[in-house]
Amino acid sequence: GQSLEQPSEVTAVEGAIVQMNCTYQTSGFYGLSWYQQHDGGAPTFLSYNALDGLEETGRFSSFLSRSDSYGYLLLQELQMKDSASYFCAALDTDKLIFGTGTRLQVFP
Amino acid sequence: DAGVTQSPTHLIKTRGQQVTLRCSPKSGHDTVSWYQQALGQGPQFIFQYYEEEERQRGNFPDRFSGHQFPNYSSELNVNALLLGDSALYLCASSSDRGRSEKLFFGSGTQLSVL
Repeated sequence: GQSLEQPSEVTAVEGAIVQMNCTYQTSGFYGLSWYQQHDGGAPTFLSYNALDGLEETGRFSSFLSRSDSYGYLLLQELQMKDSASYFCAALDTDKLIFGTGTRLQVFP
Repeated sequence: DAGVTQSPTHLIKTRGQQVTLRCSPKSGHDTVSWYQQALGQGPQFIFQYYEEEERQRGNFPDRFSGHQFPNYSSELNVNALLLGDSALYLCASSSDRGRSEKLFFGSGTQLSVL
């Protein structure tokens, strides 16, 4: 089967750093994407890891370890606007399979 | 440059009815994927259309069907609606020659089945 597990909720304060984890089990795996979704909004693409290691895009970094079937999204210098749900998604032969999502709440 | 557009934004139906949802992909995109997102859950893959054919399908019953038109727009049809079909239905587009890992989503159609 295909499954991606994420912690349901994470809380942090403005200016802090937060890490959101994702463990996956898929029949075919090409890479791991991350999406952000604000309440009532559409998911928007954040990053993609095809290879092991860290990818950095501004305040966002994403990590992948294929041998551990594990990845994480790291957000630095948290802002109130980062409060949203974050989904990891495995690329499985041209379709994306989404995880359960982590709801991030940022407090002042 | 218009992004992915979906219609209608909200829809209320009763059990047993049929519904059609519509999607126009982002300009330059030729592949459309449909997802169902229940409240508090991640999007669940329904199916993907490319070159007017269903290319991949998730674990959804045959009550869920779709179509893609020559202009790349797409429809999702759901027959014999059940209460459990109440969800946000998301359309996402991508370019087959581009990156499948980067989907562009519409704002969705919120379907309520009473």
